[in-house]
Amino acid sequence: DAGITQSPRHKVTETGTPVTLRCHQTENHRYMYWYRQDPGHGLRLIHYSYGVKDTDKGEVSDGYSVSRSKTEDFLLTLESATSSQTSVYFCAISEPFGGVYEQYFGPGTRLTVT
Amino acid sequence: QKEVEQDPGPLSVPEGAIVSLNCTYSNSAFQYFMWYRQYSRKGPELLMYTYSSGNKEDGRFTAQVDKSSKYISLFIRDSQPSDSATYLCAMGPLSGGYNKLIFGAGTRLAVHP
Repeated sequence: DAGITQSPRHKVTETGTPVTLRCHQTENHRYMYWYRQDPGHGLRLIHYSYGVKDTDKGEVSDGYSVSRSKTEDFLLTLESATSSQTSVYFCAISEPFGGVYEQYFGPGTRLTVT
Repeated sequence: QKEVEQDPGPLSVPEGAIVSLNCTYSNSAFQYFMWYRQYSRKGPELLMYTYSSGNKEDGRFTAQVDKSSKYISLFIRDSQPSDSATYLCAMGPLSGGYNKLIFGAGTRLAVHP
């Protein structure tokens, strides 16, 4: 499982409340990613990080922010949750192998916004 | 039009069958190709990757890439009930660091005894 944990694993929250999801890795990987997975869309990149305090947007970043103050932790924040952000969120890390960066995923967080 | 198209299925086959899962893509910059398997309520796990046209075999699994047709396939021989899962293709351009992966929507496979 590439030493990745996500917390919480399940969360139900109300529209308009802030929510923070945590991704923790134990193997000092440089690259970390946040994806959301929705039926019919597959996995879509929200934000990624290429080092401490170095982050950038993915294809569906609106309404989300991220922070990485330590190598091992990558936080995803929904500033004001909306029902359209009900989804399963996956964190991933990159591991270089022969020049191709394979991505390994955490177990996911199932978020419901009511 | 999505950059990566994948038939969502579901695909239902009897145990022992040969399964063919496919993706098409439109971006010529894609140079490496991956297949992930995802069991229900779990994270995707990497099955295979390749960055060249042709076939790559790993046990019962064979990944095939045809860059001229922008078409990739995953074949599963002697399918087992434990192969029942959603299979995601993913692909991206080669880079020296951060790799942008584009995923297909996934094909749900059910192998029945």
